[in-house]
Amino acid sequence: AQTVTQSQPEMSVQEAETVTLSCTYDTSESDYYLFWYKQPPSRQMILVIRQEAYKQQNATENRFSVNFQKAAKSFSLKISDSQLGDAAMYFCAYRRGNFGNEKLTFGTGTRLTIIP
Amino acid sequence: DADVTQTPRNRITKTGKRIMLECSQTKGHDRMYWYRQDPGLGLRLIYYSFDVKDINKGEISDGYSVSRQAQAKFSLSLESAIPNQTALYFCATSDDRGNQPQHFGDGTRLSIL
Repeated sequence: AQTVTQSQPEMSVQEAETVTLSCTYDTSESDYYLFWYKQPPSRQMILVIRQEAYKQQNATENRFSVNFQKAAKSFSLKISDSQLGDAAMYFCAYRRGNFGNEKLTFGTGTRLTIIP
Repeated sequence: DADVTQTPRNRITKTGKRIMLECSQTKGHDRMYWYRQDPGLGLRLIYYSFDVKDINKGEISDGYSVSRQAQAKFSLSLESAIPNQTALYFCATSDDRGNQPQHFGDGTRLSIL
């Protein structure tokens, strides 16, 4: 079974600085997708960024980028120029690539605090 | 209006009661999912459905049942609620394209006394 590990239960960063959240996963598959979701205090689950395993290029979305290391099974999220609105729980998630396996496996989350 | 709507938003009930959480969606997705979130455990899959005639157990289905009344509706039932089912419950939807994310409702916070 696939597992997703987020080893940092809590992180904090000064406003405007850069922070990296770690995620590792275990799979024997070669085709899969990885996601980062953000959960602010409003408890919504908001997609931050996604990565297809077959793409070597790291995904970026504005201030958010990933460092995808397929051989190491690592998928870290970098937040640049941190803002107060980035304070949230962040979840890393994995899904297999083949049709009929769209369910997600989540990590346990990292709570990010932004220090003004 | 939200694409994925969960009702109720919050619910407090007593041990032994039957509870139904409802989810409806306007995204036209075939896939629907129920997760529960517990502190320190992330989100875990309870049940999922790929169409009206297809229901599958997730990793923690014991004590729960589901009904897919229509493509747009997927409800989760707790037949006899117990305190350790106190959690935040999420419904999600997706289409069958692998790189597309799941879309979540705003969650139902359920407390069982």
